[in-house]
Amino acid sequence: QKEVEQDPGPLSVPEGAIVSLNCTYSNSAFQYFMWYRQYSRKGPELLMYTYSSGNKEDGRFTAQVDKSSKYISLFIRDSQPSDSATYLCAMCSSGSARQLTFGSGTQLTVLP
Amino acid sequence: NAGVTQTPKFRVLKTGQSMTLLCAQDMNHEYMYWYRQDPGMGLRLIHYSVGEGTTAKGEVPDGYNVSRLKKQNFLLGLESAAPSQTSVYFCASSYAGAGEETQYFGPGTRLLVL
Repeated sequence: QKEVEQDPGPLSVPEGAIVSLNCTYSNSAFQYFMWYRQYSRKGPELLMYTYSSGNKEDGRFTAQVDKSSKYISLFIRDSQPSDSATYLCAMCSSGSARQLTFGSGTQLTVLP
Repeated sequence: NAGVTQTPKFRVLKTGQSMTLLCAQDMNHEYMYWYRQDPGMGLRLIHYSVGEGTTAKGEVPDGYNVSRLKKQNFLLGLESAAPSQTSVYFCASSYAGAGEETQYFGPGTRLLVL
């Protein structure tokens, strides 16, 4: 079993829809959680970073962490065609030299 | 401020050939990383470095070597390339300070080994 599991998709939604992307993890030592967005043939770019359980909002994006269930989510409101990309969850523990463990990524397409 | 840059962008090798991938960052980051990305497998850590002159193995280090002679550069070497090393390689860097656990990625190097 992988340490981090992520729905691979692909996921296709109409413009304006609310998108929910999810990851589960098994390592209770993970304390820092990130979502990266990766456009086709580009490097991943940081979208959201959270440390504690709860919600963090940034514009149309909300990151949610539930450490008790070992479950993290990314919500995208009012999705746009420009949101079409692969979304990767990533996480690490403290003192790990920032060694990130990534999910396999969810490919999202937002249709105009 | 260029961030993280990678050289070359694309390369084709024959089995058994060697090559070096170069990563450079201008953000004065202490930590640097090399990943490979394969379809359906996300990003897997090959080697990483927590400072100039230090390196450590990641999840998939076999067949690769690294060096960090200067803080801003991190080199990934393939001594004898194999078709299984066909992949997209990403370099990343990060601050060492608390609350700065995020990594910043380069644009990637596409490697095809025939």
